[in-house]
Formats: sequence, C-alpha cells, structure tokens
Amino acid sequence: KNQVEQSPQSLIILEGKNCTLQCNYTVSPFSNLRWYKQDTGRGPVSLTIMTFSENTKSNGRYTATLDADTKQSSLHITASQLSDSASYICVVSAGYSTLTFGKGTMLLVSP
Amino acid sequence: DTGVSQDPRHKITKRGQNVTFRCDPISEHNRLYWYRQTLGQGPEFLTYFQNEAQLEKSRLLSDRFSAERPKGSFSTLEIQRTEQGDSAMYLCASSPPTGGLYEQYFGPGTRLTVT
Repeated sequence: KNQVEQSPQSLIILEGKNCTLQCNYTVSPFSNLRWYKQDTGRGPVSLTIMTFSENTKSNGRYTATLDADTKQSSLHITASQLSDSASYICVVSAGYSTLTFGKGTMLLVSP
Repeated sequence: DTGVSQDPRHKITKRGQNVTFRCDPISEHNRLYWYRQTLGQGPEFLTYFQNEAQLEKSRLLSDRFSAERPKGSFSTLEIQRTEQGDSAMYLCASSPPTGGLYEQYFGPGTRLTVT
C-alpha cells in the first residue's frame, strides 16, 4: 500500500529560527515528490516538486531534499516568519493522477 | 489568470439533502481533480478528468457521489443523500496539458458541514 508518513505531527518554533520537516514514503512506482503549504481553510499551494534525479530544490527560504534510495525527503525552512505558520504536506506521485498525501506537519511560528 | 475557483466556499446542509459543488479550473488546463480532506488529514483523491472524460475514480467515491465535466471546462461534484460523515473540505485542482510532472494547482476548497 502506498503511504507517506510525516514527522513531527506538529511543531512550534520562535520567529527567526530554522526548522526541518521530515517525510518518509513507500510509493511505487515513484514519479516525483512535492511539498505543499496549506494555510488553514485554504487549498494547498505548491512549494517544490522533485523528480527521481533531483537531490535538492529551493524556493526562497524553503529547501527540499530527496533521497530516493532511502525514500526520504525533508523540507528546511530558514529564518522563519509568522506567515510560515501553516500545515506542510508531503505528496508523492506515482504518475499522472495518483497522488499520495501525507497528513501534514502543523507548524506554528511564535513571535 | 485567476487560479482555480470553487463555489460555494461553505455549505451547511441537513442530513439526507443533496448538494452540488462547482469547480472552475485554470483556463486551458485539461486535467481536473477532486479531493476530500477531513480535519487533521491530508487530501484524499476522489476522481480525475482529462478534458470531459472521467478517467479514474477512487473507491472512496460511493454511488452517492457523482462528478461531471460536461464540456471539458468546469466540473461539478454532487453528493446525494448526504451523511454526517460527508462533512469535509472538498478540494479541486487542475493541471496543464504539457509537462511530465503534472503540477496540480488547488482551489480554495468548499467546506461542507452536514448537520
């Protein structure tokens, strides 16, 4: 069964600090891995998308890594801001339609 | 480009009633997806259209659920005889015809509450 597991479930950090979110997956066949940011009550917004051959991808203060051998990914947020408070969802694609979503990590950035 | 839009944003209905949601994808996006998301969970795939053809349906899509995309543009999701377990956020996403990564752009969702 295709699964995406994320940790931690929730996280509180002080504004300006860095943090790293983890994602482990068992999805086959693997096509690509995406990180989405979802504000409360809103639809997810794409942060990064990586294929099998990509090890890292950045989008501003967000940097995602991918280890396809161990089937692990991380999302690193540097110099956090209050607006980073959201749920961060790891999504693994097995093809053109099939996406397997993690449950997300709820991040709260505190002033 | 105004992004994916969904209507209504919120819907409260009584158990047993029928509801219909609408999704307008980004123009010229030929792929359209419906997801359901309950509190504290990630979205779950419901169904997928390429143009007007419904190509894939999840087993989550019971016979009370039906989705259409009659002209390959907007789509509707209807739930008949709603149950309290149908309470969730219903998300729509679309993706363009080109590119192998099929990046999906999500709408703001329709929050359904069944009382």
